[in-house]
Amino acid sequence: EAQVTQNPRYLITVTGKKLTVTCSQNMNHEYMSWYRQDPGLGLRQIYYSMNVEVTDKGDVPEGYKVSRKEKRNFPLILESPSPNQTSLYFCASSLSAGGSYEQYFGPGTRLTVT
Amino acid sequence: DAKTTQPTSMDCAEGRAANLPCNHSTISGNEYVYWYRQIHSQGPQYIIHGLKNNETNEMASLIITEDRKSSTLILPHATLRDTAVYYCIVRPYQGGKLIFGQGTELSVKP
Repeated sequence: EAQVTQNPRYLITVTGKKLTVTCSQNMNHEYMSWYRQDPGLGLRQIYYSMNVEVTDKGDVPEGYKVSRKEKRNFPLILESPSPNQTSLYFCASSLSAGGSYEQYFGPGTRLTVT
Repeated sequence: DAKTTQPTSMDCAEGRAANLPCNHSTISGNEYVYWYRQIHSQGPQYIIHGLKNNETNEMASLIITEDRKSSTLILPHATLRDTAVYYCIVRPYQGGKLIFGQGTELSVKP
């Protein structure tokens, strides 16, 4: 089944403890992206990747890192999480970045930083 | 990026067609109209997209007016599982991120 998977689905952590949220897709997609969703603010893009070893900042990249060493994986790294990073995170992928290619989203990771 | 305007909420009777409108009067010629939905806090689900012509797939139909300033998403036979927030998004030809607005909260009632 073609899908985008994220792990973990739920995570409660403490301020400053490094964490990684994994994202994997099995559709051989070139474009991958991370969004966060907060009440009243909608979904905002954090980082995106056009292809392996090509990443760039989205609208809210502060406090996050990403890497794209393999085509299928695009982990989101929070090196020193803070409470304002408590949010619902979604990974998405598409065949290409172009406007005619739909993006498919993962199930989400709900992160709480205390 | 073109802005979209959608009603905040709509109701639909189960089994009837749900027609969700979207206004995008500032859309430019090379921008796509996309529809996604989000059920509770699940990942947004792609529904359909189009450029100029009407489109249909197994989930829905997309009707785009000739001047492209508005569109309607049609769910032909709404079920309770179609209760969700529906987002109309205008996306440039170059692609990139999706910009989600507030969407329309559709409630399908028995």
